[in-house]
Amino acid sequence: GQQVMQIPQYQHVQEGEDFTTYCNSSTTLSNIQWYKQRPGGHPVFLIQLVKSGEVKKQKRLTFQFGEAKKNSSLHITATQTTDVGTYFCAGPPWESGGYQKVTFGTGTKLQVIP
Amino acid sequence: DVKVTQSSRYLVKRTGEKVFLECVQDMDHENMFWYRQDPGLGLRLIYFSYDVKMKEKGDIPEGYSVSREKKERFSLILESASTNQTSMYLCASRPPLAEQFFGPGTRLTVL
Repeated sequence: GQQVMQIPQYQHVQEGEDFTTYCNSSTTLSNIQWYKQRPGGHPVFLIQLVKSGEVKKQKRLTFQFGEAKKNSSLHITATQTTDVGTYFCAGPPWESGGYQKVTFGTGTKLQVIP
Repeated sequence: DVKVTQSSRYLVKRTGEKVFLECVQDMDHENMFWYRQDPGLGLRLIYFSYDVKMKEKGDIPEGYSVSREKKERFSLILESASTNQTSMYLCASRPPLAEQFFGPGTRLTVL
C-alpha cells in the first residue's frame, strides 16, 4: 500500500535558524496537505497544494509540491518558539481521485531552543 | 465554526473489555476517519467511511471495527481490548478534496 515518509523524524534548532522537513510518497498523489500538531493538541490544517511544482507561502512558511507529485517540503525561515510542534504531510493517492483515503506521513517533531 | 467531538479525552480499560469510542461532527461531511497515533509512527489509519453504513479498512484494521449509522457519527469499537491498543485515537472528518478536521483525541490506556 501507499507509504508516506518524512525526514527528519526530529529536529532541534536554535531560535532564528531555518528548518526544513521533507515528505516522500511511494505513489503519486492527487494533492498534498500539511498539518501542524502542537504539543498536547490535535493536527490542524495548514495548507493544500494541488498542482505539480506548486509553491505556496504563509508568512515565514514555504511549501513546495514536487514535479512528479510524489514529494513535498515545508521550509520555515527564522524559526520562533511558536513553531514548536510536529508537522505532518498527508495525501490521497492519485487513483482515488482525492476523494477518500488520506495517508499521513510519519511526522517531523520540531523543537526550538530559545 | 467547524467542530469534531470525541466522547472522552481519557479512558482506562482492562484487557478483554469491549471499548466504544464515539466521534461526532457537525459539518455534514461525507468522509470520516479513525487514526491512532503512536510516538515515531505518525498517524495510522484504522478505518474510514465515505457514507452512512459504508466503511473501508485503513492500514491497521486488525482488532477494530467501526459503525456509521448516521452521517454525523462514526464509532470505533475494540471488541476485546489488548495492551497493544494503548494509544491516542484521533477522529477526523472532511468533505471531498478538502482538508481534514480533527477531534481533540482520546488517550486510551488498556491495563
